[in-house]
Amino acid sequence: GAVVSQHPSWVICKSGTSVKIECRSLDFQATTMFWYRQFPKQSLMLMATSNEGSKATYEQGVEKDKFLINHASLTLSTLTVTSAHPEDSSFYICSASSRGSYNEQFFGPGTRLTVL
Amino acid sequence: QKEVEQNSGPLSVPEGAIASLNCTYSDRVSQSFFWYRQYSGKSPELIMSIYSNGDKEDGRFTAQLNKASQYVSLLIRDSQPSDSATYLCAVIGIQGAQKLVFGQGTRLTINP
Repeated sequence: GAVVSQHPSWVICKSGTSVKIECRSLDFQATTMFWYRQFPKQSLMLMATSNEGSKATYEQGVEKDKFLINHASLTLSTLTVTSAHPEDSSFYICSASSRGSYNEQFFGPGTRLTVL
Repeated sequence: QKEVEQNSGPLSVPEGAIASLNCTYSDRVSQSFFWYRQYSGKSPELIMSIYSNGDKEDGRFTAQLNKASQYVSLLIRDSQPSDSATYLCAVIGIQGAQKLVFGQGTRLTINP
């Protein structure tokens, strides 16, 4: 299967700071990338969908000014959590799919964010 | 009614037996169906995709799709302890849509 990487794999930050998470498709061009969040023992929650070169589409209830998504190239999308607070602590996972791949989504390894 | 339903388990299966995981979906126009495996603390891993009625086999895994019954299943033959994980059924509904709709996942435990 296709390979998606995320960086960093974990991050600890102070309340009020911003954190940027990178998602890269390593061996294919990702026309669409997705950002999910997962709290312990809960299901994946889709936060937003981004197509290369377009603004991200956010799910209902997700603050677009707090979770900034950029999909500037076919291999890179970034999620910036601005002014992070302890309740933003979670497991953030990106996935990527390419046109013509029958909509298969390949997930990155995830980034564990802890906000103190 | 949830869009994608799975039995949350836990499902316990002895090592070497067949594990059977089931999923139903509500949107009759759904086109694409996926099974993901998620180990505790890790991200989901795509293990099977199926798009047409019938069976699709890949190694020890077989996915089965019945669009008339709106039912998709995953069989794991010769279950191993390393198969112990949560299995997520995911569906893409409308043709051309991209969002996956996930079931709540079934926790599978393979007992040595």
